[in-house]
Amino acid sequence: QSVLTQPPSVSAAPGQKITISCSGSSPNIGNNYVSWYQQLPRTAPKLLIHDNNKRPSGIPDRFSGSKSGTSATLGITGLQTGDEADYYCGTWDNSLSAGVFGGGTKVTVL
Amino acid sequence: QVTLRESGPALVKPTQTLTLTCIFSGFSLTTSGMCVTWVRQPPGRALEWLARIDWDDDKYYSTSLKTRLTISKDTSRNQVVLTVTNVDPVDTATYYCARSRFASGSHWHDYWGQGTLVTVSS
Repeated sequence: QSVLTQPPSVSAAPGQKITISCSGSSPNIGNNYVSWYQQLPRTAPKLLIHDNNKRPSGIPDRFSGSKSGTSATLGITGLQTGDEADYYCGTWDNSLSAGVFGGGTKVTVL
Repeated sequence: QVTLRESGPALVKPTQTLTLTCIFSGFSLTTSGMCVTWVRQPPGRALEWLARIDWDDDKYYSTSLKTRLTISKDTSRNQVVLTVTNVDPVDTATYYCARSRFASGSHWHDYWGQGTLVTVSS
């Protein structure tokens, strides 16, 4: 059981927009920044977003992040077949004094 | 450029101690704000945060695994070592090390190793 809750799956047609939610609580998302990771099949995770909404160099602006209260959201616009992957949110938990991840969301491009 | 590579045994017997090494380059673990984190992923399952060591030698552990984990660093050799004692088949997973940044509530992992699959079986 993950500390952060994500929907197991999201799907949409190419070109569409999707959002992935990440729900937490005060000790984690409520008081810390959120990051997002993309994991393509059989590869290591890759940082997409840090500090709620900042994209590292090389990450297309089709990917965006936001946070409100104890929830965060990853948005992907102009969905492409290459976006089929698992997506994870992560943050720090002040009560646990440890990092935490969500359970992951599998994105399928129809 | 920043690279990390995990090394360790592919197969470990139950009750044994697993020792994993992360060899990194392109950054120094003596630089303020730099950290290295271990994360694992059982086959077909989600990422699980395990442990983190900071530039100032602060260490943090998963609460559920705290009694079995030890993280340490050798800054002269650019290595971070994670030991997991008394392993069980449920510890079978791909183990990743990642460079992490931490400051004022900001915690993220910007570079990852390719991972190493460890199977626990007799």
